Amino acid sequence: GNSVTQMEGPVTLSEEAFLTINCTYTATGYPSLFWYVQYPGEGLQLLLKATKADDKGSNKGFEATYRKETTSFHLEKGSVQVSDSAVYFCALSSSGAGSYQLTFGKGTKLSVIP
Amino acid sequence: KAGVTQTPRYLIKTRGQQVTLSCSPISGHRSVSWYQQTPGQGLQFLFEYFSETQRNKGNFPGRFSGRQFSNSRSEMNVSTLELGDSALYLCASSFSGTKTDTQYFGPGTRLTVL
Repeated sequence: GNSVTQMEGPVTLSEEAFLTINCTYTATGYPSLFWYVQYPGEGLQLLLKATKADDKGSNKGFEATYRKETTSFHLEKGSVQVSDSAVYFCALSSSGAGSYQLTFGKGTKLSVIP
Repeated sequence: KAGVTQTPRYLIKTRGQQVTLSCSPISGHRSVSWYQQTPGQGLQFLFEYFSETQRNKGNFPGRFSGRQFSNSRSEMNVSTLELGDSALYLCASSFSGTKTDTQYFGPGTRLTVL
């Protein structure tokens, strides 16, 4: 079956540090890949996505590249801010039985300190 | 455009009771999915509806059910509540429910079972 493995936190960084959150996946076929972010007390917000191999998703300074050869979709940001403190989820969407569902990793809690 | 809305935001029930949660998708979206989020199990897919038809269902007992109305609004029902049903229930909508579609999440309903 489909699965997503992401580094478990918590991750604590100083402001302006470089961020990497690793994500690898197992899936049949050619899934789409997503990063979602969840702030305390809220639902999930899409951060970025990539729908085919070698695509790069980017948003708000975050980037991730769909690497089919390594089945990875690592999230990076060059300079984090306190406002980036949240839980980040890697997810994939693939076909199956005529409809599509998201399979999520366990989430990585990021804390950025001033 | 208004986002996904869920009502109620918070619920407290006792074991054995049943509960109904409601979700209004983004206007024009025909696919609605439900997810359960718990600290132990993370985010798990419950079911997905498209044009009033359940197309996919996750690995949950029959106590969990749902439906979708002609205006795409959706409800999920949990009967005979158990302590382990305490969770954040998230609804997500997308235009067509394909694997490249983005699923937009609501703020969730926090269910506490006593």
